[in-house]
Amino acid sequence: KQEVTQIPAALSVPEGENLVLNCSFTDSAIYNLQWFRQDPGKGLTSLLLIQSSQREQTSGRLNASLDKSSGRSTLYIAASQPGDSATYLCAVYSNSGYALNFGKGTSLLVTP
Amino acid sequence: GAVVSQHPSWVICKSGTSVKIECRSLDFQATTMFWYRQFPKQSLMLMATSNEGSKATYEQGVEKDKFLINHASLTLSTLTVTSAHPEDSSFYICSALPLGGAGSYYNEQFFGPGTRLTVL
Repeated sequence: KQEVTQIPAALSVPEGENLVLNCSFTDSAIYNLQWFRQDPGKGLTSLLLIQSSQREQTSGRLNASLDKSSGRSTLYIAASQPGDSATYLCAVYSNSGYALNFGKGTSLLVTP
Repeated sequence: GAVVSQHPSWVICKSGTSVKIECRSLDFQATTMFWYRQFPKQSLMLMATSNEGSKATYEQGVEKDKFLINHASLTLSTLTVTSAHPEDSSFYICSALPLGGAGSYYNEQFFGPGTRLTVL
């Protein structure tokens, strides 16, 4: 069974810092990997989706990389802002294409 | 595009009552919808996969008689929590898979805003 682990579980940084969130998965036979943002008590906002054939995706200040062979993905946030404070979830699509396995998330706090 | 809604956004009920949660794809058709549950400080856990016109497939450990799923049309799936108890209090989120992979990437799921269920 695919297991997804996110490190760290929580992170607090001052505004303006660049930061990296880590995601690892046990079964490298994945279809896609997706990063989400979740605000307290809210649903999911999709940030970036990386297909298994890709190595990275970028959107604004966000960059996500994928190394299937090592079972790792990172989400890089440049020049962090207080508005970036949220929980960031990593999710892996299995090779069958439908099942999504989520990590427990990294809770990020960016202080002014 | 690819918007999914859920109703209600939150519900409080007494123990022993049944609660129905709706998941709708607003601007696309979805043959497959998924129901997830999220407890505080925990990850989303897949409960069941709902296919239009057929029975849902439940994950191990999820009671199908307690969590009734009906996917009656290509845009609507419902989850009914029967005889709810306080331990069923959770955040329920649905997602939808566009027919023919109409999302940005084949097999990308689009998520609803979630429903907060509190059972007293």
